[in-house]
Amino acid sequence: GAGVSQSPSNKVTEKGKDVELRCDPISGHTALYWYRQSLGQGLEFLIYFQGNSAPDKSGLPSDRFSAERTGGSVSTLTIQRTQQEDSAVYLCASSPYQETQYFGPGTRLLVL
Amino acid sequence: AQKITQTQPGMFVQEKEAVTLDCTYDTSDQSYGLFWYKQPSSGEMIFLIYQGSYDEQNATEGRYSLNFQKARKSANLVISASQLGDSAMYFCAMRELSYSGAGSYQLTFGKGTKLSVIP
Repeated sequence: GAGVSQSPSNKVTEKGKDVELRCDPISGHTALYWYRQSLGQGLEFLIYFQGNSAPDKSGLPSDRFSAERTGGSVSTLTIQRTQQEDSAVYLCASSPYQETQYFGPGTRLLVL
Repeated sequence: AQKITQTQPGMFVQEKEAVTLDCTYDTSDQSYGLFWYKQPSSGEMIFLIYQGSYDEQNATEGRYSLNFQKARKSANLVISASQLGDSAMYFCAMRELSYSGAGSYQLTFGKGTKLSVIP
């Protein structure tokens, strides 16, 4: 079956612009996660959605970051007023409840 | 707080040889899961193997096995009969298994080990 998909694959933007990153999870997976991977680093948790429960936003680095998940499926991560330090790979993962997470290919964001 | 340590930034292995990638962890939780992911140059994180803290047997998946030593808090990945396609970054990760409040399901990752397989 289809895996986790993310779009765009690559995004180049200017400092101060807003960007939206999209994640389409595996069908039937109730949990969805966003992570950020800076150059040469491990993954950093950003936000977690589970079903209709309130999301866990404890990993979001600032109030410029927000995410939503519509209809329990597709999720959008929005970064407002981008800064150069936001440059990273943004990875989305989905899982059945409490089970192994499967990752998408990521979106490579470059802020100039 | 959970912490994962991977002490080998880079490793080399001859093709067809076995290699062990080290991972130690720190947690106060009694119930947790340990994961290994492979990240090739394409960037996608590929799930390899899982070990639960209460599993008595070491996990195996094909050429991958996890050497789980609970008392030492280590969860080393062993790759047997290395292949050129095994060249990639390898990440060890963990998470709680029992719900204990907000944010308890995310994975905590180590910084990774870059494995290079030499022909």
